[in-house]
Amino acid sequence: KAGVTQTPRYLIKTRGQQVTLSCSPISGHRSVSWYQQTPGQGLQFLFEYFSETQRNKGNFPGRFSGRQFSNSRSEMNVSTLELGDSALYLCASSLEGLAASTDTQYFGPGTRLTVL
Amino acid sequence: GENVEQHPSTLSVQEGDSAVIKCTYSDSASNYFPWYKQELGKGPQLIIDIRSNVGEKKDQRIAVTLNKTAKHFSLHITETQPEDSAVYFCAAHNSGGYQKVTFGTGTKLQVIP
Repeated sequence: KAGVTQTPRYLIKTRGQQVTLSCSPISGHRSVSWYQQTPGQGLQFLFEYFSETQRNKGNFPGRFSGRQFSNSRSEMNVSTLELGDSALYLCASSLEGLAASTDTQYFGPGTRLTVL
Repeated sequence: GENVEQHPSTLSVQEGDSAVIKCTYSDSASNYFPWYKQELGKGPQLIIDIRSNVGEKKDQRIAVTLNKTAKHFSLHITETQPEDSAVYFCAAHNSGGYQKVTFGTGTKLQVIP
């Protein structure tokens, strides 16, 4: 079974631009969660999508948004990029999602975003 | 919200020795505690997990213990090997919580051959 894939793997943008990242979950998984990983703040939860609906949201500004398609693929968008948005963005998929609490999450390799 | 503290931040052990990483959490409603291993350039990979109704779980050289009363859980790696070198993260899941999952700050484990 193919794992979670994320595209692109690397991205360089300038301040003020916007960016869209893509995540394809494991086949059959309906939940996709997004995380931001930085050296200073560690791994932080952004939001979770389940069956095309945002089910949970972390403590990030509205510049961070996402969506999920009917095939469970998900995209994350960051508008008006700031230098502090430079990070590794990870997505993880699972069968039933975080509401199931004990559902195993499988992470993708991440997209490394650099904002200049 | 949930707060997860992880110690130590770095750990060096000789090959063959044991390594122990500890995490404490604040929300007694958290009920699922996975451990992840992250190698350079890769996403975190689940290595073991434990549910709140279980005190200990073992998988070959890796074990996790949970003390719900004290709100802490630990990862134990025995007979360490150089390929165990990586960053390890603990996490606490709370299905009723706002952020659902909170991660520890990570432990960089170095196994010296």
